[in-house]
Amino acid sequence: QKEVEQNSGPLSVPEGAIASLNCTYSDRGSQSFFWYRQYSGKSPELIMSIYSNGDKEDGRFTAQLNKASQYVSLLIRDSQPSDSATYLCAAPAVGTGRRALTFGSGTRLQVQP
Amino acid sequence: GAGVSQTPSNKVTEKGKYVELRCDPISGHTALYWYRQSLGQGPEFLIYFQGTGAADDSGLPNDRFFAVRPEGSVSTLKIQRTERGDSAVYLCASSTRLAGYNEQFFGPGTRLTVL
Repeated sequence: QKEVEQNSGPLSVPEGAIASLNCTYSDRGSQSFFWYRQYSGKSPELIMSIYSNGDKEDGRFTAQLNKASQYVSLLIRDSQPSDSATYLCAAPAVGTGRRALTFGSGTRLQVQP
Repeated sequence: GAGVSQTPSNKVTEKGKYVELRCDPISGHTALYWYRQSLGQGPEFLIYFQGTGAADDSGLPNDRFFAVRPEGSVSTLKIQRTERGDSAVYLCASSTRLAGYNEQFFGPGTRLTVL
């Protein structure tokens, strides 16, 4: 079992809709989670970090963490075509003493104009 | 301020050759990480440094790979006797401290192609 799992997509949503991206993780000891956005041919860009159960909002982005269910999600409100990218979920890697990150394979989001 | 920089942005080499990839972290970041990303996959950990020493090199695939950070800032990833399977994007990231809860910021990457 991979430490972090994501649906590869593509997830297609119309412009203006809410995009919901999901991630599950296996390490119950993980305390921090990160969402990165990666445009095609570019490197990952950190967009959200979350450390506590519940919701964390930043502009159009909301990260949700449910430690009991080992589930992290990212909501993008009022989706724009410029949000079309691959979204990577990451958590501290157990094998590195939780110092480096382990990533899911990413979910490709397509926002249709 | 300046972000993480990596050079070269692209490197094409022949099987069996030696390559060096350079990373310059964000100023003041003491922790530096190398990852490798293949098409359709998330980045995979290779090695990380806290200061000058390699704190964990357990992700390096074999002994052809080596990395240094002699002065605690710039790091070089070295690959000997390159193989076609080494072709990937090599990403460097830095953070303020070596801890999983610290946010890591990536450089633009070096795309390595081994012919």
